[in-house]
Amino acid sequence: DSGVTQTPKHLITATGQRVTLRCSPRSGDLSVYWYQQSLDQGLQFLIQYYNGEERAKGNILERFSAQQFPDLHSELNLSSLELGDSALYFCASSAGQGWSPLHFGNGTRLTVT
Amino acid sequence: GNSVTQMEGPVTLSEEAFLTINCTYTATGYPSLFWYVQYPGEGLQLLLKATKADDKGSNKGFEATYRKETTSFHLEKGSVQVSDSAVYFCALSGGTGNQFYFGTGTSLTVIP
Repeated sequence: DSGVTQTPKHLITATGQRVTLRCSPRSGDLSVYWYQQSLDQGLQFLIQYYNGEERAKGNILERFSAQQFPDLHSELNLSSLELGDSALYFCASSAGQGWSPLHFGNGTRLTVT
Repeated sequence: GNSVTQMEGPVTLSEEAFLTINCTYTATGYPSLFWYVQYPGEGLQLLLKATKADDKGSNKGFEATYRKETTSFHLEKGSVQVSDSAVYFCALSGGTGNQFYFGTGTSLTVIP
């Protein structure tokens, strides 16, 4: 058990809809990262937060947004969903130091129909 | 910039065979290096890490040595088992903000 909790585990929704994915980091970790994993694209970095502040942005679409709250949990909001957004979405956390590893949650599997 | 290049798969081995998965990196400064494993239906799990040159990370029979002169961090195991079937990712962390860079993953299947 990595200590990172993601909810929900599965999500099925229709095109055009909006969903929110939730992540609770490992106790003591200040940094949260979001990744998208699809079959043909591998692991794509979306965005990173550190102690409530956005720290780095990757290949995150404008239709997607995220935030990290004062209690350090994070939410990833996906809107105007398209079929191509179907993927596994992972949250990971780290202590934020250069040598600190990432600890991953088990992911949310999003299916857009 | 920082990047990781990983051996492409898929790799299929017989049980008890020797495993090597190649990983090379490009980085400024002194990155930390990691191997992660993803079993079917699960998230990525940290397998091993090395934080400075010549460090050897090891776990569950897997090993990798941080080679600065060849900018490599190859994963090895002397005798693979069916239970090692998974996708393996090489990664580095570096730069400001503890950013991570992942390879594309190598799928390993071990057959009895």
